[in-house]
Amino acid sequence: AQSVTQLGSHVSVSEGALVLLRCNYSSSVPPYLFWYVQYPNQGLQLLLKYTSAATLVKGINGFEAEFKKSETSFHLTKPSAHMSDAAEYFCAVSPPAGNKLTFGGGTRVLVKP
Amino acid sequence: DTEVTQTPKHLVMGMTNKKSLKCEQHMGHRAMYWYKQKAKKPPELMFVYSYEKLSINESVPSRFSPECPNSSLLNLHLHALQPEDSALYLCASSQVLGSGPGNTIYFGEGSWLTVV
Repeated sequence: AQSVTQLGSHVSVSEGALVLLRCNYSSSVPPYLFWYVQYPNQGLQLLLKYTSAATLVKGINGFEAEFKKSETSFHLTKPSAHMSDAAEYFCAVSPPAGNKLTFGGGTRVLVKP
Repeated sequence: DTEVTQTPKHLVMGMTNKKSLKCEQHMGHRAMYWYKQKAKKPPELMFVYSYEKLSINESVPSRFSPECPNSSLLNLHLHALQPEDSALYLCASSQVLGSGPGNTIYFGEGSWLTVV
C-alpha cells in the first residue's frame, strides 16, 4: 500500500518569498509522485510528476520538486511566490504500474502582499 | 485540447430524486475516473473505467451507478442519496490506465452536488 503525508495543512508566505510545501511518501516499491494544484472552485491541475527519471523535476508556473529516496520525500518549491499561487496543493502517489492515485491531505497556501 | 468537461457544475437534489452527472473528453483517452472530494479533504477514488469497462470500484455504495456509454463519455447516476453524499465530484481521464511517464491524468472542474 502507498500513502503520502503532507506536513502542514496551511502555509502562509509573503509575496516574493520562497514557497516550500512538504510531502513524504510511504511505498513498498519505487513510486511515481505527483503534485497537483486546485484553485478555488476548480478541478485539479497537474504541476509536475516524478516517474523515475531525473530526481529534480521542473513543472509549470515556476514550481519544481526533488525526489529524495533516502528521505522518502518529494517537497515542492518555488523561489518567489506570486499572489496567483494562492490555492490548495496536493501531493499524490501511484505505483509505477498503477491504476490508483492516492492523495495527501492537501496544503492550503496563502500569499500575503 | 486537454479538457475534461463536466455537467452540471452545480446540482441540488432531494433524497428521493434520480439524477446524473456527465463527463466528456475528446482527447482519445481510454481510461476515465470518478473521484469524490469532500470540503477541505483530498479527492478519493470511486470508479475507474478502462476501454469502456469498469476496472475498479472502490467499494462505493450502490446508490452511485457509473456508466461508460462510449470512449468519450462517462456518467454517474445518482439515486436515493444521503446528505452526507454532498461533495464535489471530479471526473478525470488519462491515455490509458496507469501512471506511466507519458500518462498524465487530467481532471475536470467538477460537479458540486448538494443533497437535501
